Amino acid sequence: GENVEQHPSTLSVQEGDSAVIKCTYSDSASNYFPWYKQELGKRPQLIIDIRSNVGEKKDQRIAVTLNKTAKHFSLHITETQPEDSAVYFCAAFKSGTYKYIFGTGTRLKVLA
Amino acid sequence: KAGVTQTPRYLIKTRGQQVTLSCSPISGHRSVSWYQQTPGQGLQFLFEYFSETQRNKGNFPGRFSGRQFSNSRSEMNVSTLELGDSALYLCASSSGGLGTEAFFGQGTRLTVV
Repeated sequence: GENVEQHPSTLSVQEGDSAVIKCTYSDSASNYFPWYKQELGKRPQLIIDIRSNVGEKKDQRIAVTLNKTAKHFSLHITETQPEDSAVYFCAAFKSGTYKYIFGTGTRLKVLA
Repeated sequence: KAGVTQTPRYLIKTRGQQVTLSCSPISGHRSVSWYQQTPGQGLQFLFEYFSETQRNKGNFPGRFSGRQFSNSRSEMNVSTLELGDSALYLCASSSGGLGTEAFFGQGTRLTVV
């Protein structure tokens, strides 16, 4: 069935270093890929998204890349800060299904 | 603009009971989705409603049901609760268009004892 695999499940980086989280989706017809950040005890919030007709998108320290051939997309966070510590979820969406398929999450810890 | 509001925030129920959770979407949003969040499983899709119609349903037993009212508010009901139903239940609202951002509520933490 349709699924999204996300790696790693936990990631620790030193403040100022970069962090990369990778996701692979199974349904090649997926056409929208958001990333959500969930801080402890809070709601998931969208941090960046990408559509299938775009290969890369950047917003300040955050970027997402998409490789449709490999059915693979990644989140890149540069110059990490302690406030980046949270759980990050990737998701895939296919038009007409009205649902997001989420990865299992990555717990990012930024060490000061 | 007010965000997505879920009530109640916390619930403790006994096995076999039933529970109803409520979600008020952002004003103007007609799509409401429900997700179950458990440790290690991430967010699992329950169902999605748009203009009072269920457009999709996830792989959950029939004990899980939902509905949407004409004002776009949605409710989710779980009958005959099991211990495994303990989870954070999140609802998300969006305008319903192609690939539009889903805004999540704070969730309802359900504990079944």
